Amino acid sequence: AQTVTQSQPEMSVQEAETVTLSCTYDTSENNYYLFWYKQPPSRQMILVIRQEAYKQQNATENRFSVNFQKAAKSFSLKISDSQLGDTAMYFCAFMSYGNKLVFGAGTILRVKS
Amino acid sequence: DAMVIQNPRYQVTQFGKPVTLSCSQTLNHNVMYWYQQKSSQAPKLLFHYYDKDFNNEADTPDNFQSRRPNTSFCFLDIRSPGLGDAAMYLCATSRDDTGSYEQYFGPGTRLTVT
Repeated sequence: AQTVTQSQPEMSVQEAETVTLSCTYDTSENNYYLFWYKQPPSRQMILVIRQEAYKQQNATENRFSVNFQKAAKSFSLKISDSQLGDTAMYFCAFMSYGNKLVFGAGTILRVKS
Repeated sequence: DAMVIQNPRYQVTQFGKPVTLSCSQTLNHNVMYWYQQKSSQAPKLLFHYYDKDFNNEADTPDNFQSRRPNTSFCFLDIRSPGLGDAAMYLCATSRDDTGSYEQYFGPGTRLTVT
């Protein structure tokens, strides 16, 4: 069974600075997808960024980028120029087949002014 | 805007009194999911519908049932809620023919059991 580990329960960052959230996963599959989802306080979960395992190039979406290391089974999220609106719980998630997401335990990110 | 809608947003029920949570979507997605999320924890998949095919997770209690009468609607029935069933219930949808596998989440229904 696949597992996803987020080793940082909570993190803080000053506004405008850069922060990296860690995620590792365990799988025997070769083809799969990795996601970072953001869940702001009392608001719905939204997709931040997605990475296909067969793509070597790291995904980027504006201020969000990932460092995907397939051999190390590592998938970290970098948030540049942090904004107060980035304060949220961030979940790393894995999907291989059957459309089923396996979530990590989450990292609470607090952006301070 | 196309979206996933959950009603009600907050639901209070009594111990043992059946309750139904609803989810609707205007995205025309063929897959719908129900997750249970307890405070500060990751969402836990209860079951999902792939079109009309129902897929139950092995560890989902029998107390939880689901219905999907059509593409747009999906219901979560809790037959005899216990105190341990108090949680946020998230509905999500996806479309499996796009290659993106992104799941779109509703705002959730927070269930309180008294």
